[in-house]
Amino acid sequence: GENVEQHPSTLSVQEGDSAVIKCTYSDSASNYFPWYKQELGKRPQLIIDIRSNVGEKKDQRIAVTLNKTAKHFSLHITETQPEDSAVYFCAASTDGGSQGNLIFGKGTKLSVKP
Amino acid sequence: DSGVTQTPKHLITATGQRVTLRCSPRSGDLSVYWYQQSLDQGLQFLIQYYNGEERAKGNILERFSAQQFPDLHSELNLSSLELGDSALYFCASTSSQLASETQYFGPGTRLLVL
Repeated sequence: GENVEQHPSTLSVQEGDSAVIKCTYSDSASNYFPWYKQELGKRPQLIIDIRSNVGEKKDQRIAVTLNKTAKHFSLHITETQPEDSAVYFCAASTDGGSQGNLIFGKGTKLSVKP
Repeated sequence: DSGVTQTPKHLITATGQRVTLRCSPRSGDLSVYWYQQSLDQGLQFLIQYYNGEERAKGNILERFSAQQFPDLHSELNLSSLELGDSALYFCASTSSQLASETQYFGPGTRLLVL
């Protein structure tokens, strides 16, 4: 089955710097790669996603890149702000057959220091 | 607010007991997913239901079971509870059975087994 590895597990940056979180996946059939942000004690919330027919997607300060050949995808946050502090999860899924579940990475705790 | 509701918010019980967690999907969504999030762990997929039928199964223990009712709400039953079952339990919903559709998470139920 699918396995998703996420690095780093913790990341500390200064306000205004960029943050990059990387994930690798094992199943070459995976075709959907969302990123979720989870604040302490709250629900995961989708911040951006990318599908396998696209190499890059951007939404204001957030961008995601996908390298299908290398089976890795990355989240880039520019001009970080203290409110970006949270745990970020990557995930991958495959729509084949009856499989309809996301496999999540273990998360990256991002701290943005003012 | 994602439109997905979960009750109760908090649950404290003793080892060996049985509890039921409830999830109501967003209006119009037919699929419900259940996830377990233990302390410092990522989101572990448990099970998916689509329009009343089980569609995908993850690492769900035999002591756990779920069902989806005709009104599309779902219940996760946890029995013979152990200390290690203490966790946040989230449900998420989508309109289709495909995992490449954005999953909207509920606020979660925090279970504490003493």
